[in-house]
Amino acid sequence: DAKTTQPPSMDCAEGRAANLPCNHSTISGNEYVYWYRQIHSQGPQYIIHGLKNNETNEMASLIITEDRKSSTLILPHATLRDTAVYYCIVRVAWNNNDMRFGAGTRLTVKP
Amino acid sequence: GAVVSQHPSRVICKSGTSVKIECRSLDFQATTMFWYRQFPKKSLMLMATSNEGSKATYEQGVEKDKFLINHASLTLSTLTVTSAHPEDSSFYICSARNRLRNTEAFFGQGTRLTVV
Repeated sequence: DAKTTQPPSMDCAEGRAANLPCNHSTISGNEYVYWYRQIHSQGPQYIIHGLKNNETNEMASLIITEDRKSSTLILPHATLRDTAVYYCIVRVAWNNNDMRFGAGTRLTVKP
Repeated sequence: GAVVSQHPSRVICKSGTSVKIECRSLDFQATTMFWYRQFPKKSLMLMATSNEGSKATYEQGVEKDKFLINHASLTLSTLTVTSAHPEDSSFYICSARNRLRNTEAFFGQGTRLTVV
């Protein structure tokens, strides 16, 4: 699975959009980009995933660059409850391998 | 959405005793489940892959005789920490993947183990 690079921490004002970047310059053609988050003392929560098209669901939007070497997770209106560690993971979707977690980005939403 | 339930959420045990943690997929079948361990302020580290009806696959450095894994059905995997020591105190998390929709993985809420 390709390696990802994320900033260690970010702050965001409550009500504003949170844009979390992820670099995955060695991504291969059959690898998807997944995002999970982990709120303190809880298990990771699936957010969204995509291959090359931008994706949106009730939680977030995922913007993948045309060359697929980077992506951005967007929380459109961040709330205090969005404070968590966000993990960007790149992997082939249809296999039985586990999710490999890096250090992630610690997002702090401030009032 | 898919739900993975882990039990117990917290457990305190005495050194030398064994503790069993259950991981259940509530609304889907999972041929493969995964067990992670997380130390404070660290990321999740895979311990083992649990396959229904067969032996688990352990990551390098994880003692299979200490961390017993059983995956007896398509909805249940258990992790037993045997002869627990204080250094086994950690946050243990399981995940499961729907065998019919093998894309995203879903995680349990985690188990905080404290060995005293």
